[in-house]
Amino acid sequence: EIVLTQSPTTMAASPGEKVTLTCRASSSVSYMHWYQQRSGTSPKLWIYETSKLASGVPNRFSGSGSGTSYSLTINSMETEDAATYYCQQGSSYPWTFGGGTKLELK
Amino acid sequence: EVQLVESGGGLVQPGRSLKLSCAASGFTFSNYYMAWVRQAPKKGLEWVATISTSGSRTYYPDSVKGRFTISRDNAKSSLYLQMNSLKSEDTATYYCARHLMGFAYWGQGTLVTVSS
Repeated sequence: EIVLTQSPTTMAASPGEKVTLTCRASSSVSYMHWYQQRSGTSPKLWIYETSKLASGVPNRFSGSGSGTSYSLTINSMETEDAATYYCQQGSSYPWTFGGGTKLELK
Repeated sequence: EVQLVESGGGLVQPGRSLKLSCAASGFTFSNYYMAWVRQAPKKGLEWVATISTSGSRTYYPDSVKGRFTISRDNAKSSLYLQMNSLKSEDTATYYCARHLMGFAYWGQGTLVTVSS
């Protein structure tokens, strides 16, 4: 089973700040998906296949990475971006999620 | 608009069974793999099961294999999860999701509480 480790676990960012969230896999994967979950709501697919933005996702978000290291970047933090972000690998069965990064507004 | 609506959650005693349902609309249900993903209270996400378009192939993690069964009725655009021999660690919100290049759409979830 591929274990995904996200860092940091929790962080706070000010409006306008650049934010980078990291996801590391215990073995190489072909791509990574990212989900956003705001408090009290269902998760939403946010970035798929490492770098493709899901419908409606603002272009201040971007994704990158390969092999065992992937990242999600917010170019300029906005209030609505406060949420928990999860990475997920679909390359290898069983499909697994990272533990999440809680992003708060400073 | 894609809609997934789960039902069937509730309080159940350890060792008992429960069946969840998911009603899909807004897309051609029979064209997509479907899945269940759960989230324990204040915890992260865990994939629980996936089923192929025809239902001929199913996939489970070891944590539920042999206890949970995913099924579908394409004529009714419905997805199901039969959960047997429930344990306290199965307590979670269970989400139905469309499974294609990630879990692209999610329902609102249904809460299952396993407790005596």
